Amino acid sequence: AQSVTQLDSHVSVSEGTPVLLRCNYSSSYSPSLFWYVQHPNKGLQLLLKYTSAATLVKGINGFEAEFKKSETSFHLTKPSAHMSDAAEYFCVVSDPLSGGYNKLIFGAGTRLAVHP
Amino acid sequence: DGGITQSPKYLFRKEGQNVTLSCEQNLNHDAMYWYRQDPGQGLRLIYYSQIVNDFQKGDIAEGYSVSREKKESFPLTVTSAQKNPTAFYLCASTSRTGLHQPQHFGDGTRLSIL
Repeated sequence: AQSVTQLDSHVSVSEGTPVLLRCNYSSSYSPSLFWYVQHPNKGLQLLLKYTSAATLVKGINGFEAEFKKSETSFHLTKPSAHMSDAAEYFCVVSDPLSGGYNKLIFGAGTRLAVHP
Repeated sequence: DGGITQSPKYLFRKEGQNVTLSCEQNLNHDAMYWYRQDPGQGLRLIYYSQIVNDFQKGDIAEGYSVSREKKESFPLTVTSAQKNPTAFYLCASTSRTGLHQPQHFGDGTRLSIL
């Protein structure tokens, strides 16, 4: 069965410093992985997705993630945090359903705080 | 602009009452999903539908019901059998099959008990 573990429930950084949000996954086959962001009382927005084409994936707003099969990790990074990055971030793995569609398996989330 | 519209944004339920959450999409997506989000937890799948007039239970379907009479609409009813309904409910949709397809989300409905 597929699962994801987000290693930090809260991360706090200063504006302008690097961001690292950690995610480990478990999958019985080559996974599809996603990072989503959620601002307070809002839905989820897709940041980036890994689909086996390249191990380093670039997303929106300067975020990127590296897929490391040997470490079963898919950590999210950004070189320089901005105040607007403060939000909850979810690491997600895709699980197949009958009929060809997928369901998403979510990590518990990491709340990112950015201080001036 | 295309997207997913959930209404109402906030909803209150009395004891023994059924309430219905609306989800409408104009993205022409085939598949639609309902998730429940509790504080400090990720999202959990309640129901999903891949085609009109067909839907399947997800991981936590007890106390919920859905219908899919139109491609654009996938309402969720929280019944009185759901003893702990307080949560943030999110609707999502996707256009095509396959593990690589991300889902698009609405802005959610927050349900509370009176």
